[in-house]
Amino acid sequence: DAKTTQPTSMDCAEGRAANLPCNHSTISGNEYVYWYRQIHSQGPQYIIHGLKNNETNEMASLIITEDRKSSTLILPHATLRDTAVYYCIVRAPAGGTSYGKLTFGQGTILTVHP
Amino acid sequence: GAVVSQHPSWVICKSGTSVKIECRSLDFQATTMFWYRQFPKQSLMLMATSNEGSKATYEQGVEKDKFLINHASLTLSTLTVTSAHPEDSSFYICSARGGGELGNTIYFGEGSWLTVV
Repeated sequence: DAKTTQPTSMDCAEGRAANLPCNHSTISGNEYVYWYRQIHSQGPQYIIHGLKNNETNEMASLIITEDRKSSTLILPHATLRDTAVYYCIVRAPAGGTSYGKLTFGQGTILTVHP
Repeated sequence: GAVVSQHPSWVICKSGTSVKIECRSLDFQATTMFWYRQFPKQSLMLMATSNEGSKATYEQGVEKDKFLINHASLTLSTLTVTSAHPEDSSFYICSARGGGELGNTIYFGEGSWLTVV
């Protein structure tokens, strides 16, 4: 799987948008970008994923650059409960021998403050 | 969304004993499950891939005789830590990949804290 690079930590004020960047310059054309978050002492929670187009769901939006070498996860109105470690992961395509394996980097520690 | 459940959430065991952790997919059939380990302030490390009806595939450096994995049905995988020692104390997390419409997303369990004393 392609390696990802994320900032170690970020701060965000409650109610403001949190924009978390991720670089994945070696991503292959058929690899998806996935975002998970892990709140302290819990298993990772799926947030969103995308291939080429921007995606939005009830939790967040995912913006992928046209060259697919980077992406940004946007939490539109951050709350204190969004404080967590956010992981950007590039995933092997379906059918490959490593399909389903997720390689976790260190992620970004997002702290939402009042 | 899909739900993956682990049991127990936490367990304390004596050094030298064995402990079993269960991972269940509650609303879908999981042909493949994955086991991770996470030490404090570190990221998740993949231990092994568990395939229903066949032997697990272990990552390099993970002792297969120490961490026994059984995936006997499409909804249950178990991880048994044998002859546990204090250095095995960690947060163990499973994930599951379903087929069909759920095939593109991996869902994680809540995790299981193991403390070996």
